[in-house]
Amino acid sequence: SQQGEEDPQALSIQEGENATMNCSYKTSINNLQWYRQNSGRGLVHLILIRSNEREKHSGRLRVTLDTSKKSSSLLITASRAADTASYFCATGIQGAQKLVFGQGTRLTINP
Amino acid sequence: DGGITQSPKYLFRKEGQNVTLSCEQNLNHDAMYWYRQDPGQGLRLIYYSQIVNDFQKGDIAEGYSVSREKKESFPLTVTSAQKNPTAFYLCASSETATGFYNSPLHFGNGTRLTVT
Repeated sequence: SQQGEEDPQALSIQEGENATMNCSYKTSINNLQWYRQNSGRGLVHLILIRSNEREKHSGRLRVTLDTSKKSSSLLITASRAADTASYFCATGIQGAQKLVFGQGTRLTINP
Repeated sequence: DGGITQSPKYLFRKEGQNVTLSCEQNLNHDAMYWYRQDPGQGLRLIYYSQIVNDFQKGDIAEGYSVSREKKESFPLTVTSAQKNPTAFYLCASSETATGFYNSPLHFGNGTRLTVT
């Protein structure tokens, strides 16, 4: 399996509900980043969390990192239709000068 | 507004032709990158450049070439040697030239290349 794997691959929820996406990885990292991609557009950076951090918040976004389990989660609270997009985690691999992207979670918010 | 401009948005070429994708940034970033995205897939790194007149191969460099003659510009040429060139190509930049994996990437809006 790949370095960064998101779970689930697709998620569909009602507007106002919370959305949780997970990312697992294999090797030691310096940081983990989350990006959003609207259909047919470029990626937009959301949050960067360093390996010595456990949780970060940005508006309605909450990211956690558990280095012992090699996993991260992205929580979007009070979802809106505009949150519909694909979400990617990217891991900065320690010692490799490399940022590896997962395959993404496709999130659909139903009005 | 500062940002990354990729052009054109859509590009159509016949098999066997080389094609060059443009990427310009006015963020004054040192590092620039080219990624390829296939449907339902993550991003794969083609080439990156940490400084003018220098660039490094990424994971899938075969069939591609780049140049970095100016800090603002990092064009990508898809050559006829690339066996499966149809894809969505994304250019990105970041602030730090070293340890770029510790900085957020700023992306352009991509060029969708179709080769028939």
